Amino acid sequence: ILNVEQSPQSLHVQEGDSTNFTCSFPSSNFYALHWYRWETAKSPEALFVMTLNGDEKKKGRISATLNTKEGYSYLYIKGSQPEDSATYLCAFGGGADGLTFGKGTHLIIQP
Amino acid sequence: DGGITQSPKYLFRKEGQNVTLSCEQNLNHDAMYWYRQDPGQGLRLIYYSQIVNDFQKGDIAEGYSVSREKKESFPLTVTSAQKNPTAFYLCASSIGHSGGTQYFGPGTRLTVL
Repeated sequence: ILNVEQSPQSLHVQEGDSTNFTCSFPSSNFYALHWYRWETAKSPEALFVMTLNGDEKKKGRISATLNTKEGYSYLYIKGSQPEDSATYLCAFGGGADGLTFGKGTHLIIQP
Repeated sequence: DGGITQSPKYLFRKEGQNVTLSCEQNLNHDAMYWYRQDPGQGLRLIYYSQIVNDFQKGDIAEGYSVSREKKESFPLTVTSAQKNPTAFYLCASSIGHSGGTQYFGPGTRLTVL
């Protein structure tokens, strides 16, 4: 079983502040790294998929970076808003093995 | 609208009964997945199917069974052999089984009474 770790497990952030969290994954047999946002009572929604070392992706106030050599990815949220409250999952794709998910970072934005 | 549907949203079962969770997709995806989520845990893979009439065990397949008779359907049966079936179950699909993006249904919460 592959080891995909996310930290922190949970995070409380004041509205307007910026924040970031980490996903670490195996640095061998890398195919893709995915980030999902999972809001309460909804399905996990794909945010980013990154495949190349050094990739940076951005969607509005949310961005992500990828380092495949050392096996980590960061997700950044700039100027947090209440609607950013969700669990953020990362998933490691090793090619033929589908995706292995981390346990998620549960983000709560406090007004 | 293209997407994945799961039914029912909530399901209650008496101990000792088998129960089947439905998952349907109209995305024309070849691969389909079943995950289980428990509090404080990540998504754990139960079964997956890369193509019709073929499926493989995931990390926690014991006490579950699946079938893939049609491309768009991948039902999961939780049998009485599953020791701790109360959980949230998510179905997903992807174009192929190569580590690409998976698209999720809304989930079924199963409670065993």
